[in-house]
This record gives sequence, C-alpha cells and structure tokens, in this order.
Amino acid sequence: DARVTQTPRDKVTEMGQEVTMRCQPILGHNTVFWYRQTMMQGLELLAYFRNRAPLDDSGMPKDRFSAEMPDATLATLKIQPSEPRDSAVYFCASGLGVNTEAFFGQGTRLTVV
Amino acid sequence: GENVEQHPSTLSVQEGDSAVIKCTYSDSASNYFPWYKQELGKRPQLIIDIRSNVGEKKDQRIAVTLNKTAKHFSLHITETQPEDSAVYFCAASRGTGNQFYFGTGTSLTVIP
Repeated sequence: DARVTQTPRDKVTEMGQEVTMRCQPILGHNTVFWYRQTMMQGLELLAYFRNRAPLDDSGMPKDRFSAEMPDATLATLKIQPSEPRDSAVYFCASGLGVNTEAFFGQGTRLTVV
Repeated sequence: GENVEQHPSTLSVQEGDSAVIKCTYSDSASNYFPWYKQELGKRPQLIIDIRSNVGEKKDQRIAVTLNKTAKHFSLHITETQPEDSAVYFCAASRGTGNQFYFGTGTSLTVIP
C-alpha cells in the first residue's frame, strides 16, 4: 500500500529555531504539494512542485519559509526562524499529474513555543 | 486565483438522514472537483471526484453534482452513519499544474 511518508510526526521547538520537515512522495508521482492546516485558515497551499521544479510558492512567506526537492524521493520544507504563529499541521501530498487524486501524508504537527 | 467557498461550516444530522454540503468556485476554467474526508487527527483522503464533462457521479451512498454554469458543486451523503462523522473539504483545480484550491471545510456530525 503506497503512502506518502512525512517526518517528524510531531515537533515542538522554541521560537527562533530552524525547523525542517521531510516528505517522501509515492514512488512515481511527479507532483508534490505542501499544505498548512490551521483551525482558522483551513488547508492553505504553501508550495508545489512538478517533476521537482517549483511551480508555485506564492502562498509561502518567503522571508522564513523555503521548500525544495533535492531528488524525486524527498521534499523538504524549512522554517527559519520559526515563530509561534507557524504552529499548525503541515501536510505533504503527491499526485500523478493533471486532474488526479492528491495523496496526503500523515502530517507534521508543529508547535512553536 | 481561484476562490472556493464551502457551506455550511458545521452540520449535524440524525443517523439515516441525508447530508448535503455545497461549494462554489470563481474560476470558470476549473475543471476538476475532488472531495476529501478528514477524520479527527488523520490525513485528508479522497472520497469522490468529478470532472467538468460530467454533471453527476455516484459511489454507493455518496454522490456529487456539478453545475458549471452556476459554478457550484455539491456533496450528497445518503443514509448517514456515525462513521461518516468527519470534516469534509471540497476543492477545485483548473488542471494546469494540478494546483488544488480547498474550501474551508464542513464538520459533519452524525448523531446515533
């Protein structure tokens, strides 16, 4: 049963620290998304990649967030420096292309204190 | 960009009754409309989707309807069961780039 794998599942960190979240998309999927979920904002798209190239990161605060795909099996989302308002669940999802299902990972619950 | 609105934000129904969740979208170029179900503490998972060349699609107790002219689509759950309790998200995509725009979610509670 192919799944999107995210690590860590939970992260508690102090304000100002760097946070790195990792995602392993389903093998063969060529599209990767990063979403942030909060009670107030729902599911916000932060960035997405097609064939490892960033297509849209307009939803991501550029001053502190960065997203990369070093290779086809790994996507990373970094926050530096982290702030309490970044506390949320961060989901990675992958898909096969246009108008197909996006498969979500289990999410990383980030708490910044 | 696309703007997806979803109503209601919360919905309670008695077990066995039907539940309807409605979404509107703004981008007439959107042509793919998936629905995701998210149980508490879990990941969103696709339950049904519809493409713009179809007006209605059914899968057992779940159906989705699409009105492209009015730019709205709806999720219908019949004979609701307690395990249908979850948050449901609609989404729209125009295909190019496969970027999804999600609604704000509907928290459905099915009362036994």
